[in-house]
Amino acid sequence: SQKIEQNSEALNIQEGKTATLTCNYTNYSPAYLQWYRQDPGRGPVFLLLIRENEKEKRKERLKVTFDTTLKQSLFHITASQPADSATYLCALDARPRGADGLTFGKGTHLIIQP
Amino acid sequence: DVKVTQSSRYLVKRTGEKVFLECVQDMDHENMFWYRQDPGLGLRLIYFSYDVKMKEKGDIPEGYSVSREKKERFSLILESASTNQTSMYLCASSKWGTGDLNTEAFFGQGTRLTVV
Repeated sequence: SQKIEQNSEALNIQEGKTATLTCNYTNYSPAYLQWYRQDPGRGPVFLLLIRENEKEKRKERLKVTFDTTLKQSLFHITASQPADSATYLCALDARPRGADGLTFGKGTHLIIQP
Repeated sequence: DVKVTQSSRYLVKRTGEKVFLECVQDMDHENMFWYRQDPGLGLRLIYFSYDVKMKEKGDIPEGYSVSREKKERFSLILESASTNQTSMYLCASSKWGTGDLNTEAFFGQGTRLTVV
């Protein structure tokens, strides 16, 4: 069956260090992968999209990699800050047609400690 | 500032009631989605729509229906609310894309529904 896996445990990182979150998938061939941030009691907010033919994408302190051979994406936050504490979700387009909705992982709860 | 607006942040309904959750987007997006989010289960797709009057079942459509009479509005209907439908409901929209031209989803703030 199709599956998206993210670190289910909370990830504690010291302020200033790089936080690395993992998204693994099986039995998908996604055209692209997206990362979202979600704060408690709020809807997810889009951060980055990376396409299957891209190895790496950057936006300010964020970096995403996409390895379609390993079926894995890594999400990095450099120089992490307490304000980066949130749940981060990866999402794949796992359906035959591009507009049919994203399938989300369960998310990783990131805690940046001062 | 683009926006997806859900009609209620918090809602309490009784078992057996018919419940309407409304969602409006102002971005002229073709696609609209309803998800529910539960602890340990993540976001799960209930229904989606890629055009007015069009609807498609997601992964967990049982007990729900939807309506899309206008492009900007997508309603989720719980025909007869049950306690296992207590959840956070999230509406989202995105621009139509084909293949790898699909774009990001914009989410509303969510409606926390409690069925008692």
